Amino acid sequence: QVTLKESGPGILQPSQTLSLTCTFSGFSLSTYGMGVGWIRQPSGKGLEWLANIWWDDDKYYNPSLKNRLTISKDTSNNQAFLKITNVDTADTATYYCARIGATGFYYFDYWGQGVMVTVSS
Amino acid sequence: EIVLTQSPTTMAASPGEKVTLNCLASSSVSYMNWYQQKSGASPKLWIYGTSNLASGVPNRFSGSGSGTSYSLTISSMEAEDVATYYCLQLSSYPPTFGSGTKLEIK
Repeated sequence: QVTLKESGPGILQPSQTLSLTCTFSGFSLSTYGMGVGWIRQPSGKGLEWLANIWWDDDKYYNPSLKNRLTISKDTSNNQAFLKITNVDTADTATYYCARIGATGFYYFDYWGQGVMVTVSS
Repeated sequence: EIVLTQSPTTMAASPGEKVTLNCLASSSVSYMNWYQQKSGASPKLWIYGTSNLASGVPNRFSGSGSGTSYSLTISSMEAEDVATYYCLQLSSYPPTFGSGTKLEIK
């Protein structure tokens, strides 16, 4: 059974660095072909892809945020991480991590419950 | 970046009515994925690879399309289908989502 769960600070101030953790089970990020992505959703708005990390440590970032994002993983503890530097109120959102499924097609097949992050002074 | 435009933005359908949701890509993509998101919940994979139903998805749902035009169809609307539906292209980087179609029941 695949599960993912996000954790984060809840609230932080503008200009701080947001650190998010995705703890998962039911698969391994050291297995060939596996990947995890981060997606966010401001309240009442749509979904925005942020970053992906793959089993071979290949990383991809949203170009509009690239300079502020860092994705990483700890395969021994089944965790993936996302850092966003210099946050502002526009980064207030629910942040999701999701497993990347691949059966000839790529898709986010399993999602965490999301963690709400508020940026406020 | 490939922009996905979903239409309509919002729609209401009667029980039993056929529903078609559209997703138009700014450039050709190899396939499309669809997600269902109910209020307060995480998105759920609904259709992948254009026409493959995810596990547990009722067979009144179907997906079709190619190139720049894709659609999700519900053959007979049911109350449990009330949700927002998003398309997602992952065939080229960066992955992009459509802005969603909110489906309501009359």
